[in-house]
Amino acid sequence: DAGITQSPRYKITETGRQVTLMCHQTWSHSYMFWYRQDLGHGLRLIYYSAAADITDKGEVPDGYVVSRSKTENFPLTLESATRSQTSVYFCASLGGQREAFFGQGTRLTVV
Amino acid sequence: SQQGEEDPQALSIQEGENATMNCSYKTSINNLQWYRQNSGRGLVHLILIRSNEREKHSGRLRVTLDTSKKSSSLLITASRAADTASYFCATDGTSGSRLTFGEGTQLTVNP
Repeated sequence: DAGITQSPRYKITETGRQVTLMCHQTWSHSYMFWYRQDLGHGLRLIYYSAAADITDKGEVPDGYVVSRSKTENFPLTLESATRSQTSVYFCASLGGQREAFFGQGTRLTVV
Repeated sequence: SQQGEEDPQALSIQEGENATMNCSYKTSINNLQWYRQNSGRGLVHLILIRSNEREKHSGRLRVTLDTSKKSSSLLITASRAADTASYFCATDGTSGSRLTFGEGTQLTVNP
């Protein structure tokens, strides 16, 4: 199916564990983004990528790592999860008209 | 800090009424976009207005942009219960392709 998909949709992990959130898009969009959304708030940019092998920090990058070996995939890794990283994570890609297309989100709980 | 700030934070109206939401931002932009988010879902792009445009329409949506005041407004006319959602403005800054979101306005349309 065309679009942008995130996996898993829900994840519970323990403090200190490493967890990877996956994001896959089928359009070959150059730009991709990772945001986190805390309850009742807007989106904060974690990392973004302009193309394969090009990534850059956003507003809140600490504790996160990204990679982009292929244009279609943009995984986000929490190296050592903390309770403050409990949030909903959204992946997005930027279309030709500069509009963003979002995945369904991953709800992550760190216990 | 967030680039865009929406006002009001919450808005409750009756079906058929118009809803107006405002967004202020801080830095120079290429364009400003509005998104909608239904509860528990990803964001959906509504409309984009470029920095050299002052007004744009799409169906029941009307967006204005005042770059001298660094502000934008979104008007939803003849609102419906199905318009109940959170609405976010996002700025595409001139310093690079990174969309920055505001905190959002929670719109409730009562039947």
